[in-house]
Amino acid sequence: AQSVTQLGSHVSVSEGALVLLRCNYSSSVPPYLFWYVQYPNQGLQLLLKYTSAATLVKGINDFEAEFKKSETSFHLTKPSAHMSDAAEYFCAVSDRAGTASKLTFGTGTRLQVTL
Amino acid sequence: DAGVIQSPRHEVTEMGQEVTLRCKPISGHNSLFWYRQTMMRGLELLIYFNNNVPIDDSGMPEDRFSAKMPNASFSTLKIQPSEPRDSAVYFCASSRGNGYTFGSGTRLTVV
Repeated sequence: AQSVTQLGSHVSVSEGALVLLRCNYSSSVPPYLFWYVQYPNQGLQLLLKYTSAATLVKGINDFEAEFKKSETSFHLTKPSAHMSDAAEYFCAVSDRAGTASKLTFGTGTRLQVTL
Repeated sequence: DAGVIQSPRHEVTEMGQEVTLRCKPISGHNSLFWYRQTMMRGLELLIYFNNNVPIDDSGMPEDRFSAKMPNASFSTLKIQPSEPRDSAVYFCASSRGNGYTFGSGTRLTVV
């Protein structure tokens, strides 16, 4: 069975500060890892994904994440937070990137950005 | 590309009534997923289809829940009879292997 753990259900940063959202995974096979963002009253949007190519993955809106097998982590970062980044962020894992593979989501981290 | 289309956006129904949620996946996507989101349980996968065939329905909570995908462009999730604990946001997502695209969800309230 696969799972992800997101450390911190709420994270607050100042505008312009570094954003760091933590995700650790558990998987018996090489995982595929994803970060999604959910804005209020909307569905989830894919930010970025790791599918066993480069370990540093760049996504939309200047977000990036690094796959570290030794630490079983896939933390999400952004150098400078913007007010529009306030949302809920979900880490997810699947056993393969192809079709017929299900995503298992973490419990989410709500990011607050303050002035 | 209109994205994944779900209807209705909001549904309020009385306990015991039948509820049907609808989803139109993105054309060309051959996998479809139904998720439920609640504060208490987060995002839960209910069922997913590949090429219109149900692959894993182990997340369907009870026999009151059923899902169908009669063709590549349409799926339904039915709850009969509905109960207050079914109140949640239900998301449909589709994929062709390069990431999932989610619909905007249906907010279901059972009173």
